[in-house]
This record gives sequence, C-alpha cells and structure tokens, in this order.
Amino acid sequence: QSALTQPASVSGSPGQSITISCTGTSSDVGSYNLVSWYQQHPGKAPKLMIYEGSKRPSGVSNRFSGSKSGNTASLRISGLQAEDEADYYCCSYAGSSTWVFGGGTKLTVL
Amino acid sequence: QVQLQESGPGLVKPSETLSLTCVVSGYFISSGYYWGWIRQPPGKGLEWIESMYHSGNTYYNPSLKSRVTISVDTSKNQFSLELSSVTASDTAVYYCARHLVGATEAFDIWGQGTMVTVSS
Repeated sequence: QSALTQPASVSGSPGQSITISCTGTSSDVGSYNLVSWYQQHPGKAPKLMIYEGSKRPSGVSNRFSGSKSGNTASLRISGLQAEDEADYYCCSYAGSSTWVFGGGTKLTVL
Repeated sequence: QVQLQESGPGLVKPSETLSLTCVVSGYFISSGYYWGWIRQPPGKGLEWIESMYHSGNTYYNPSLKSRVTISVDTSKNQFSLELSSVTASDTAVYYCARHLVGATEAFDIWGQGTMVTVSS
C-alpha cells in the first residue's frame, strides 16, 4: 500500500485557478470513485473539502471542485483567496478495507 | 454538534507502548459509524492507522496491524489506540476522526490532534 502521489507544491495569484493532482493506481484511485480531499492549515486538523471524488460537504465553498480521470484525481480551486493557502491531502479507498492518503501539496497564494 | 478530543502522554520511551484515547461528544458511538485514527509525523503527510466500529469490527493499515490494539468504552463514549514497540518513527500528531465506512469512505469530523514524541 503506497501513498498516493501529489505535487509537493503549487501556487497561484488571488483570483486565479489552480489544480492539484493525486495519482494512484488501478487498485485504488482507478478502481473506486471514493477519493476525498482535505484542507489543513498550519497547526490545525484536516478539514473535509470533497468526498466521493466530486461532492462538497455542506458549508464548503463551490470554488472547490473535484474530478477523476483514470488513476488520477484532481482538486480544482477557482477564484483563489488568501485563506485558501494551506496543505491539501487526497485520500482514496484502496480495497480490502484499507485507505491510503497522498503525500500532501502545499498551496501558496502569491 | 459532534466533537472529538484526543488525549495521550505526550512523551513515550522507545520500545514502550503508546496509548491514546479519543472522547466523542454530541453523538453516541454505540449508535453507529466507524471511528478511526490517523497520524502525521512532523512536516510530513497523513497516514491512516485503523478504523473501528463500536461492536469491535476493525480495519487496520497492514503496515501497522501487528503493533496496533484498539478498544472501545461505550459507557464513556470513547475509543482508544495502543501502539506497541514504538520507535522514533512513531513520533507524530495523532488524530481521531469519524470515518464514514460503507458510505462516502471519508473522514468527516476530526479531533484537534495530540502530539506524541518517542524519545528516551
């Protein structure tokens, strides 16, 4: 069970859009539409932003959206705001009642 | 409003057993849902440890299964994690979370986390 692969960092200017990728295998991301995304500000607990690949929990801005193609899931943040600066983690069901996280991506709002 | 609060010793010696407890408020864990543990070494990513149901059904990260013991106390509405034979690589912030197993598979509510350092 290997960690999902995410870029170490991404950046964007306020108002722009960015996309964070999360690459797994045909055993996890590719086999299930069960990817979730979490936002983590420094020193804080992770917060669920996207579940089942593209669904937003109540209260999460519609600037956050998720998608999947093959073995890669993606998180898109549009209209970047200063408060979006945080670490982002993906997580996928990996079969056999196991779950695997990505290594995390640091988003910098320039 | 469901809330989770972790507690633990803060410092554990190498080769000893790490013990953590998560108290749940706002929801009776005996009513359902799975409850899990996730950890995060300093400056690193998240790692799923295990998820358990109040009846005892538990799913484990295969890489940690041999060292993990879980328990639940429904009378205190809390669940606990024990990790044996710890080394410096077990130093991390440990989070408990509600895990929507069999539904969205997401961790939707998290505790604030508790830092555990393994050092002599």
